[in-house]
This record gives sequence, C-alpha cells and structure tokens, in this order.
Amino acid sequence: GAVVSQHPSRVICKSGTSVKIECRSLDFQATTMFWYRQFPKQSLMLMATSNEGSKATYEQGVEKDKFLINHASLTLSTLTVTSAHPEDSSFYICSASSGGVNYEQYFGPGTRLTVT
Amino acid sequence: AQSVTQPDIHITVSEGASLELRCNYSYGATPYLFWYVQSPGQGLQLLLKYFSGDTLVQGIKGFEAEFKRSQSSFNLRKPSVHWSDAAEYFCAVGPNQAGTALIFGKGTTLSVSS
Repeated sequence: GAVVSQHPSRVICKSGTSVKIECRSLDFQATTMFWYRQFPKQSLMLMATSNEGSKATYEQGVEKDKFLINHASLTLSTLTVTSAHPEDSSFYICSASSGGVNYEQYFGPGTRLTVT
Repeated sequence: AQSVTQPDIHITVSEGASLELRCNYSYGATPYLFWYVQSPGQGLQLLLKYFSGDTLVQGIKGFEAEFKRSQSSFNLRKPSVHWSDAAEYFCAVGPNQAGTALIFGKGTTLSVSS
C-alpha cells in the first residue's frame, strides 16, 4: 500500500524558534497534501490543503504567516511553524492523495511538537 | 453543513464481546466513508472504506461496516473484540472528488476489559 512518512516524529523546541516538519509520499506521487492538527483527546482539524506547485489553501482561523506550507514536489510537503509558542504544541498529521476516480488519502504517522 | 457525528465518546467492551461503533453523517452529495483507528501517539490506520457497491464493507482486523443511506449511517462492527483493539476510532466522510480533505468525527475511545 501507499506509504507516507513524516519527519521528525517528535520535536521539542524553545519558544520563539521555528521548526520544520516534512511529509513525504514514498511510493506514489501526491498531487494534494493535507495538514491536520490534533489536540489531545480531540479529532483531527484540517489546517490547510496544498497542491504541488501552488500556494496552500488555509482553513479559516489558521494563520498562514505562522504555519508556512510548501509543496515543492509531488512527493514532499513541508510545514514550518514560525516563532513557535507553547500553544502551538500539538500533534501534526499530514496526508497525501494521488487523486484519481476513487481517491484515497494516506496518512503519515504524525509529528509531536512540544514548545517549551 | 457537512458533518460527522460519533455519538459515543467512550465505550467499554469485554474481551470477546461484540462491538458496534456508531457514525452518522450529514452530506449533500454521495459521500465516500471511512473508518480509521489511532493508537496513542500514533498516526491513523485505515480500517475500511466505502465508495460504492455492496453496502457491507469488510476491512482489516476483522472489522466491517454497513452503509445505510436511509439512516445516513456507517456503523463499524466487530463480532469479537480483542484487547489489542483498544484505541481511538474515527469515522470520516469525503466527497467523491480528488483533492478535497476529509471531515472527521470527534472519535470514540474503545476500552477493552478482561
């Protein structure tokens, strides 16, 4: 089956610094990638949708200048949390879709971000 | 508005007993329906999906789900629960259109007692 990886799996950073999370589709080309955020004991909330080669579409309430998304190739999307604050601590999950008639999203294993 | 409702926040089932997790959706068009399982600190694993055809869908780990259009439901079932099934379960709905994100329910936590 299709595999999506995320790196790092866990990161701790200091308040005010920036951190980059990578999402890679390992065995297929992902025309669309999605970034979700999950708070403890909560569901997944869509942050943004990114299509290869174009600007990401952010959901209402998500600061695009704080959460920078780049989808530079068909196998890689990155999420950069800029000037991180403790309230940005969360579990970030990406998913990738290759499109097609019966499209399906394949989820990465997630990245646990802790901002101290 | 498009939404997914999982009415049960937390369910406890005895090992070996049957399980049914409820999922109702509100969607304007013909939906694609999914069930995912998440263990603590882990990503999502797809259990099964419904796109079209037979309304009873078989998935991995002995799970199945039945799509009932008239009830807007897609309940997940398993005839005999194992202790390793304890996890968080998410129902999700998406359009039959590529490049569109899924809408998730709030999840149901399954605990398995011995």
